[in-house]
Amino acid sequence: DAGITQSPRYKITETGRQVTLMCHQTWSHSYMFWYRQDLGHGLRLIYYSAAADITDKGEVPDGYVVSRSKTENFPLTLESATRSQTSVYFCASSGSLAGADNEQFFGPGTRLTVL
Amino acid sequence: GQSLEQPSEVTAVEGAIVQINCTYQTSGFYGLSWYQQHDGGAPTFLSYNALDGLEETGRFSSFLSRSDSYGYLLLQELQMKDSASYFCATDRGSTLGRLYFGRGTQLTVWP
Repeated sequence: DAGITQSPRYKITETGRQVTLMCHQTWSHSYMFWYRQDLGHGLRLIYYSAAADITDKGEVPDGYVVSRSKTENFPLTLESATRSQTSVYFCASSGSLAGADNEQFFGPGTRLTVL
Repeated sequence: GQSLEQPSEVTAVEGAIVQINCTYQTSGFYGLSWYQQHDGGAPTFLSYNALDGLEETGRFSSFLSRSDSYGYLLLQELQMKDSASYFCATDRGSTLGRLYFGRGTQLTVWP
């Protein structure tokens, strides 16, 4: 299917476990982003990628790792999950960073609970 | 750094007009975006202002004043389906495309 998808949609894990959230887009967008959304904080950027093999930190990168070996995939890994990482995670993509073309398209989100 | 301020809640009745304000402090400001998010859903793009003035898209309009570091989203002829959270977001010239979001305004539309 065309668009941007995330998996899993829901995940419950335990403190200290490694968790990987997947993101896949079919538009061949160059730019991809990971956000977390918590009550009272809006959306905060974790990491972003401008192209395959190019990634950079956002506002809240600690405890997270990303990779981008292929343009269409941008997985986010929590190396050792903590309760503070309980959140809703959104992946987004964009075809351009210029003007109105910087519209970001968001995936449906992954609701992660760390016990 | 950057910060965006918007009201946490706004309520209105069907058919009314509501304005959601956003003030920002950001270095190297480039443009102001607005996103809509329904409960349990993903944010979706509404509008983008890079220049001063009003941009109209159907029932929704967005305004920007760069000199006042201020913008707003205007929703006309409100419908129940407009009940959602609305986020303003800025990007900066040095990190073009990386959006910094406000905390969101919860709009409730009553019948």
